[in-house]
Amino acid sequence: DQQVKQNSPSLSVQEGRISILNCDYTNSMFDYFLWYKKYPAEGPTFLISISSIKDKNEDGRFTVFLNKSAKHLSLHIVPSQPGDSAVYFCAAKGYTGGFKTIFGAGTRLFVKA
Amino acid sequence: DVKVTQSSRYLVKRTGEKVFLECVQDMDHENMFWYRQDPGLGLRLIYFSYDVKMKEKGDIPEGYSVSREKKERFSLILESASTNQTSMYLCASSLTGTGPEAQHFGDGTRLSIL
Repeated sequence: DQQVKQNSPSLSVQEGRISILNCDYTNSMFDYFLWYKKYPAEGPTFLISISSIKDKNEDGRFTVFLNKSAKHLSLHIVPSQPGDSAVYFCAAKGYTGGFKTIFGAGTRLFVKA
Repeated sequence: DVKVTQSSRYLVKRTGEKVFLECVQDMDHENMFWYRQDPGLGLRLIYFSYDVKMKEKGDIPEGYSVSREKKERFSLILESASTNQTSMYLCASSLTGTGPEAQHFGDGTRLSIL
Protein backbone atom coordinates (compact mmCIF):
# COMPACT_ATOMS: atom_id res chain seq x y z
CA ASP A 1 0.00 0.00 0.00
CA GLN A 2 1.69 3.18 -1.19
CA GLN A 3 1.27 5.93 1.37
CA VAL A 4 2.97 8.52 -0.85
CA LYS A 5 2.07 8.58 -4.53
CA GLN A 6 3.54 10.45 -7.43
CA ASN A 7 1.26 9.54 -10.29
CA SER A 8 3.22 11.20 -13.08
CA PRO A 9 6.36 9.24 -13.97
CA SER A 10 7.62 12.09 -16.15
CA LEU A 11 7.04 15.72 -17.03
CA SER A 12 8.43 17.82 -19.87
CA VAL A 13 8.55 21.61 -19.64
CA GLN A 14 10.01 24.40 -21.73
CA GLU A 15 12.82 26.45 -20.21
CA GLY A 16 11.48 29.56 -18.47
CA ARG A 17 8.02 28.09 -17.88
CA ILE A 18 6.59 26.73 -14.65
CA SER A 19 7.10 23.09 -13.62
CA ILE A 20 4.47 21.61 -11.31
CA LEU A 21 5.17 18.27 -9.70
CA ASN A 22 2.37 16.62 -7.76
CA CYS A 23 2.24 14.26 -4.81
CA ASP A 24 -0.65 12.62 -2.94
CA TYR A 25 -0.56 10.90 0.42
CA THR A 26 -2.93 8.76 2.41
CA ASN A 27 -1.78 9.00 6.03
CA SER A 28 -3.03 12.07 7.89
CA MET A 29 -0.41 11.45 10.64
CA PHE A 30 2.45 12.77 8.52
CA ASP A 31 4.02 15.86 10.10
CA TYR A 32 6.47 16.96 7.46
CA PHE A 33 6.79 16.68 3.73
CA LEU A 34 10.05 16.95 1.84
CA TRP A 35 11.15 17.09 -1.77
CA TYR A 36 14.43 15.60 -2.90
CA LYS A 37 16.13 15.98 -6.26
CA LYS A 38 18.22 13.24 -7.83
CA TYR A 39 20.61 13.50 -10.76
CA PRO A 40 21.81 10.33 -12.54
CA ALA A 41 24.70 8.60 -10.78
CA GLU A 42 24.20 10.72 -7.65
CA GLY A 43 22.26 10.27 -4.46
CA PRO A 44 19.10 12.28 -3.74
CA THR A 45 19.65 15.72 -2.25
CA PHE A 46 17.20 17.64 -0.11
CA LEU A 47 15.42 20.48 -1.88
CA ILE A 48 12.63 21.94 0.28
CA SER A 49 10.25 20.90 3.03
CA ILE A 50 6.96 21.96 4.55
CA SER A 51 5.37 21.37 7.93
CA SER A 52 1.84 19.98 8.04
CA ILE A 53 0.71 23.12 9.87
CA LYS A 54 1.62 25.32 6.92
CA ASP A 55 0.18 25.55 3.43
CA LYS A 56 3.10 27.12 1.59
CA ASN A 57 6.87 27.30 1.80
CA GLU A 58 9.07 29.17 -0.62
CA ASP A 59 12.79 29.05 -1.32
CA GLY A 60 13.95 31.00 -4.33
CA ARG A 61 12.53 29.44 -7.48
CA PHE A 62 11.00 26.56 -5.52
CA THR A 63 7.64 26.68 -3.75
CA VAL A 64 5.83 23.81 -2.11
CA PHE A 65 2.07 23.98 -1.52
CA LEU A 66 0.21 21.72 0.89
CA ASN A 67 -3.52 21.02 0.80
CA LYS A 68 -4.23 18.93 3.89
CA SER A 69 -7.90 18.40 3.21
CA ALA A 70 -7.06 16.90 -0.17
CA LYS A 71 -3.91 15.17 1.15
CA HIS A 72 -2.06 16.69 -1.76
CA LEU A 73 1.13 18.67 -2.18
CA SER A 74 2.85 20.16 -5.16
CA LEU A 75 6.26 21.55 -5.99
CA HIS A 76 6.40 24.57 -8.27
CA ILE A 77 9.60 25.56 -10.03
CA VAL A 78 9.56 29.02 -11.60
CA PRO A 79 11.25 29.68 -13.92
CA SER A 80 12.37 26.21 -14.93
CA GLN A 81 15.96 25.80 -16.06
CA PRO A 82 17.68 22.96 -17.96
CA GLY A 83 19.72 22.23 -14.83
CA ASP A 84 16.47 21.36 -13.06
CA SER A 85 16.19 18.22 -15.20
CA ALA A 86 16.29 15.41 -12.64
CA VAL A 87 14.10 12.95 -10.78
CA TYR A 88 12.10 14.54 -7.98
CA PHE A 89 11.00 12.47 -5.00
CA CYS A 90 8.22 13.49 -2.67
CA ALA A 91 8.69 12.19 0.89
CA ALA A 92 6.69 12.25 4.11
CA LYS A 93 7.72 11.98 7.75
CA GLY A 94 5.81 11.49 10.96
CA TYR A 95 5.28 9.02 13.70
CA THR A 96 3.77 6.25 11.62
CA GLY A 97 4.94 3.55 13.99
CA GLY A 98 8.53 4.70 13.66
CA PHE A 99 10.55 7.67 12.54
CA LYS A 100 10.68 6.53 8.97
CA THR A 101 10.58 8.62 5.83
CA ILE A 102 8.20 7.34 3.16
CA PHE A 103 9.18 8.13 -0.42
CA GLY A 104 7.10 8.34 -3.54
CA ALA A 105 8.10 6.68 -6.79
CA GLY A 106 9.54 9.87 -8.25
CA THR A 107 8.80 12.10 -11.23
CA ARG A 108 11.41 12.64 -13.94
CA LEU A 109 11.45 16.28 -15.04
CA PHE A 110 12.81 17.27 -18.45
CA VAL A 111 13.38 20.97 -18.99
CA LYS A 112 13.91 21.72 -22.67
CA ALA A 113 16.13 24.60 -23.71
CA ASP B 1 29.18 19.50 4.66
CA VAL B 2 27.93 16.00 5.37
CA LYS B 3 29.62 13.28 3.43
CA VAL B 4 28.11 9.83 3.03
CA THR B 5 30.44 7.49 1.20
CA GLN B 6 29.48 4.17 -0.29
CA SER B 7 32.41 1.87 -0.92
CA SER B 8 31.51 0.83 -4.48
CA ARG B 9 29.71 2.60 -7.32
CA TYR B 10 29.23 -0.58 -9.33
CA LEU B 11 29.31 -4.19 -8.23
CA VAL B 12 28.70 -7.44 -10.11
CA LYS B 13 28.19 -10.63 -8.12
CA ARG B 14 26.91 -14.12 -8.73
CA THR B 15 23.79 -15.80 -7.44
CA GLY B 16 24.33 -17.35 -4.03
CA GLU B 17 27.29 -15.16 -3.09
CA LYS B 18 27.38 -13.26 0.19
CA VAL B 19 27.61 -9.57 -0.66
CA PHE B 20 28.70 -6.70 1.57
CA LEU B 21 27.83 -3.07 0.86
CA GLU B 22 29.62 -0.55 3.04
CA CYS B 23 28.60 2.97 3.98
CA VAL B 24 30.49 5.56 6.03
CA GLN B 25 29.32 8.99 7.20
CA ASP B 26 31.55 11.68 8.62
CA MET B 27 29.12 13.85 10.61
CA ASP B 28 28.55 11.82 13.77
CA HIS B 29 24.94 11.16 12.78
CA GLU B 30 22.87 8.89 15.01
CA ASN B 31 20.69 7.43 12.28
CA MET B 32 21.68 5.49 9.20
CA PHE B 33 19.51 3.92 6.52
CA TRP B 34 19.70 1.51 3.62
CA TYR B 35 17.30 1.87 0.69
CA ARG B 36 16.95 0.26 -2.66
CA GLN B 37 15.73 2.23 -5.65
CA ASP B 38 13.86 0.49 -8.44
CA PRO B 39 12.06 2.07 -11.42
CA GLY B 40 8.46 2.92 -10.61
CA LEU B 41 8.89 1.98 -6.96
CA GLY B 42 10.92 4.88 -5.61
CA LEU B 43 13.09 4.40 -2.55
CA ARG B 44 12.15 1.51 -0.32
CA LEU B 45 13.63 1.18 3.16
CA ILE B 46 15.47 -2.07 3.83
CA TYR B 47 16.90 -1.47 7.31
CA PHE B 48 17.79 1.44 9.52
CA SER B 49 19.81 1.98 12.66
CA TYR B 50 19.36 4.67 15.30
CA ASP B 51 22.44 3.81 17.36
CA VAL B 52 25.50 1.59 17.39
CA LYS B 53 24.54 -2.08 17.42
CA MET B 54 20.86 -1.15 17.08
CA LYS B 55 18.89 -2.01 13.97
CA GLU B 56 15.29 -1.96 12.85
CA LYS B 57 13.65 -3.63 9.88
CA GLY B 58 12.32 -1.43 7.17
CA ASP B 59 9.69 -2.29 4.62
CA ILE B 60 11.62 -4.93 2.64
CA PRO B 61 14.18 -6.62 4.96
CA GLU B 62 13.85 -10.14 3.56
CA GLY B 63 17.13 -11.49 2.22
CA TYR B 64 19.17 -8.73 3.88
CA SER B 65 20.91 -8.12 7.16
CA VAL B 66 22.87 -5.17 8.53
CA SER B 67 25.71 -4.44 10.89
CA ARG B 68 26.55 -1.29 12.80
CA GLU B 69 29.59 -1.85 14.98
CA LYS B 70 30.75 1.77 14.84
CA LYS B 71 28.68 4.93 14.71
CA GLU B 72 30.05 6.07 11.36
CA ARG B 73 29.71 2.77 9.50
CA PHE B 74 26.60 0.89 8.42
CA SER B 75 26.93 -2.29 6.37
CA LEU B 76 24.28 -4.03 4.31
CA ILE B 77 24.68 -7.76 3.80
CA LEU B 78 23.01 -9.89 1.18
CA GLU B 79 23.21 -13.31 2.78
CA SER B 80 22.77 -15.27 -0.46
CA ALA B 81 22.42 -12.97 -3.43
CA SER B 82 19.58 -13.55 -5.86
CA THR B 83 18.82 -11.96 -9.23
CA ASN B 84 15.83 -10.06 -7.80
CA GLN B 85 18.28 -8.15 -5.62
CA THR B 86 19.75 -6.47 -8.67
CA SER B 87 19.11 -2.81 -7.91
CA MET B 88 20.51 0.59 -6.95
CA TYR B 89 21.33 0.66 -3.24
CA LEU B 90 21.42 3.97 -1.40
CA CYS B 91 22.76 4.67 2.06
CA ALA B 92 21.65 7.72 4.03
CA SER B 93 22.24 9.30 7.41
CA SER B 94 20.54 11.89 9.61
CA LEU B 95 21.26 13.46 12.98
CA THR B 96 17.97 12.96 14.78
CA GLY B 97 15.42 11.48 12.40
CA THR B 98 12.65 13.63 13.82
CA GLY B 99 11.13 16.88 12.65
CA PRO B 100 11.80 18.29 9.21
CA GLU B 101 15.42 17.15 9.17
CA ALA B 102 16.36 15.67 5.81
CA GLN B 103 18.52 12.64 5.19
CA HIS B 104 21.91 12.86 3.51
CA PHE B 105 22.51 10.27 0.84
CA GLY B 106 25.53 8.60 -0.67
CA ASP B 107 25.87 8.33 -4.44
CA GLY B 108 24.61 4.76 -4.50
CA THR B 109 25.91 1.33 -5.44
CA ARG B 110 24.52 -0.23 -8.58
CA LEU B 111 24.52 -3.94 -7.85
CA SER B 112 24.03 -6.58 -10.51
CA ILE B 113 23.47 -10.20 -9.55
CA LEU B 114 24.12 -12.63 -12.38
